[in-house]
Amino acid sequence: ETGVTQSPTHLIKTRGQQVTLRCSSQSGHNTVSWYQQALGQGPQFIFQYYREEENGRGNFPPRFSGLQFPNYSSELNVNALELDDSALYLCASREGLGVRAQYFGPGTRLLVL
Amino acid sequence: DAKTTQPPSMDCAEGRAANLPCNHSTISGNEYVYWYRQIHSQGPQYIIHGLKNNETNEMASLIITEDRKSSTLILPHATLRDTAVYYCIALNNAGNMLTFGGGTRLMVKP
Repeated sequence: ETGVTQSPTHLIKTRGQQVTLRCSSQSGHNTVSWYQQALGQGPQFIFQYYREEENGRGNFPPRFSGLQFPNYSSELNVNALELDDSALYLCASREGLGVRAQYFGPGTRLLVL
Repeated sequence: DAKTTQPPSMDCAEGRAANLPCNHSTISGNEYVYWYRQIHSQGPQYIIHGLKNNETNEMASLIITEDRKSSTLILPHATLRDTAVYYCIALNNAGNMLTFGGGTRLMVKP
């Protein structure tokens, strides 16, 4: 059974650019959530996708957007990058909604200069 | 979801039990207690969750008080690899997002 994978592992962008991060969910998992973790802090929920539809969103501006594909993999897109977007971006997958353990990938570390 | 409170840091000797407390005094009847840990620079790892009854799996035991206002995660024989930040999270059945607080930084020492 393959776990959650994310790509790329590291990325450097400049302010104002756009970035796309990718996540492959664990086999059999149709729900993907994205989190942002700034240095020294706990992860913060960005949004969640269930069966290709957005199903919950945290306190992040619209320039953070996402997609989920029919195979349940997912993308996180961030437009107009700001310095404060520098963080570890984590995705987590689970089967369905409700009381289920979420399984996290290793994350993508984004540095915005 | 209810707020949880954890001590910021704890030490534990290798081979001894690590008991990590969590206070969730405002937890409601349909909220579960989840525990995750995050080893440095890795994604969080699910450990265990429970509602009312004590739970045990291959990683840990979860003890929830009868009034559900607090719980304790027990790592029965801590190893150096258990050094991590441990997060206690209260989440209801319809909850989408995990709300991570500051967690407890557990340092297992030789």
